[in-house]
Amino acid sequence: KNQVEQSPQSLIILEGKNCTLQCNYTVSPFSNLRWYKQDTGRGPVSLTIMTFSENTKSNGRYTATLDADTKQSSLHITASQLSDSASYICVVSGSNSGYSTLTFGKGTMLLVSP
Amino acid sequence: DAGVTQSPTHLIKTRGQHVTLRCSPISGHKSVSWYQQVLGQGPQFIFQYYEKEERGRGNFPDRFSARQFPNYSSELNVNALLLGDSALYLCASSLTASGKYNEQFFGPGTRLTVL
Repeated sequence: KNQVEQSPQSLIILEGKNCTLQCNYTVSPFSNLRWYKQDTGRGPVSLTIMTFSENTKSNGRYTATLDADTKQSSLHITASQLSDSASYICVVSGSNSGYSTLTFGKGTMLLVSP
Repeated sequence: DAGVTQSPTHLIKTRGQHVTLRCSPISGHKSVSWYQQVLGQGPQFIFQYYEKEERGRGNFPDRFSARQFPNYSSELNVNALLLGDSALYLCASSLTASGKYNEQFFGPGTRLTVL
């Protein structure tokens, strides 16, 4: 069964600090891995997308890494801001009979405190 | 350019009723996917449509159905509503149905509350 596990479940950090969120997956066949940011009650917004051959991707203060051998990914946020408070969801895409299947993690709820 | 739009934004229904949710994809996108997100959980895949044909179906009962129109907009229908159907329903559009860089763009969601 395809699964995506994220840790920690929730995290509180002080404004300006860095943090790292983790994602482990068992999805086959693997197509790509994405990190999304979801504000409460809103749709997810894409931060990064990585395929099998990519092991790091940056988007401003967000840097994602991917180790396809160990099936692990991380999202590093530097110099956190209050607006970073949101749920961060790891999503792994596979291909099945010509359409993409997305397996979502439950998300890490990040709260940035002043 | 407008992103993915969904309507209505909020909806309150009672058990046993029927509901129709609507989604308009990004212009040029031909694939629409529907997801259910229960509070505190990640989204769960319901359906994917591409070029007006169903391309994928998640593990949801037959009370859930969908369709895609010639203009690529889509409707999600849920019959005989249960309390457990209360959730945020997300629509995502993409250029095609699959592919390594086939990114899905999400709409703001419809918050359905079943009383």
